Amino acid sequence: DAGVIQSPRHEVTEMGQEVTLRCKPISGHDYLFWYRQTMMRGLELLIYFNNNVPIDDSGMPEDRFSAKMPNASFSTLKIQPSEPRDSAVYFCASSLGPFGSGNTIYFGEGSWLTVV
Amino acid sequence: QKEVEQNSGPLSVPEGAIASLNCTYSDRGSQSFFWYRQYSGKSPELIMFIYSNGDKEDGRFTAQLNKASQYVSLLIRDSQPSDSATYLCAVNNRNNAGNMLTFGGGTRLMVKP
Repeated sequence: DAGVIQSPRHEVTEMGQEVTLRCKPISGHDYLFWYRQTMMRGLELLIYFNNNVPIDDSGMPEDRFSAKMPNASFSTLKIQPSEPRDSAVYFCASSLGPFGSGNTIYFGEGSWLTVV
Repeated sequence: QKEVEQNSGPLSVPEGAIASLNCTYSDRGSQSFFWYRQYSGKSPELIMFIYSNGDKEDGRFTAQLNKASQYVSLLIRDSQPSDSATYLCAVNNRNNAGNMLTFGGGTRLMVKP
């Protein structure tokens, strides 16, 4: 089976531009997570969805960030306008069900974002 | 205080030795604990999970959980150079709205040939 698929793998953009990151979770997985990883802050949860519904977005840094999940097989994370401090690796991950039931999350390969 | 804490390392061990990686967490209600391995430039991949106090073994890996002391550890026996990576501890912080997985900052392990 295909794993979590993210695009683009790498993006370099100028400050102020809009950035859209895309994710296709593993088929049948009900949970989708967006994480951001930097050297300084490690791996941070931005937002997660259950059955396409956003459950917790308390990790979204500010209003410039938004995430949607229009259907079970697609999610986007948008940054508008982008800033240099948004440079990071953005991971999408998915999970079959709640943790504690033998489930865990599986990560995509990440989207490496550089804002100059 | 961070919710999940790990020594950033690097932890350097010779090939064939036992590597011991530790993690502490702050939420006493945490129920599920995971260890991920992340090679440089790659995404985290699951090594093991543990739910109950005690030890859980899988090949060269042993996870240890002590809920009373709020720590979880990972032992790697017969360490190999290919084990050199960053090891992330992750904890399930169950909340009223659902499930979340919080990661520690990771410990960088270096296994010297």
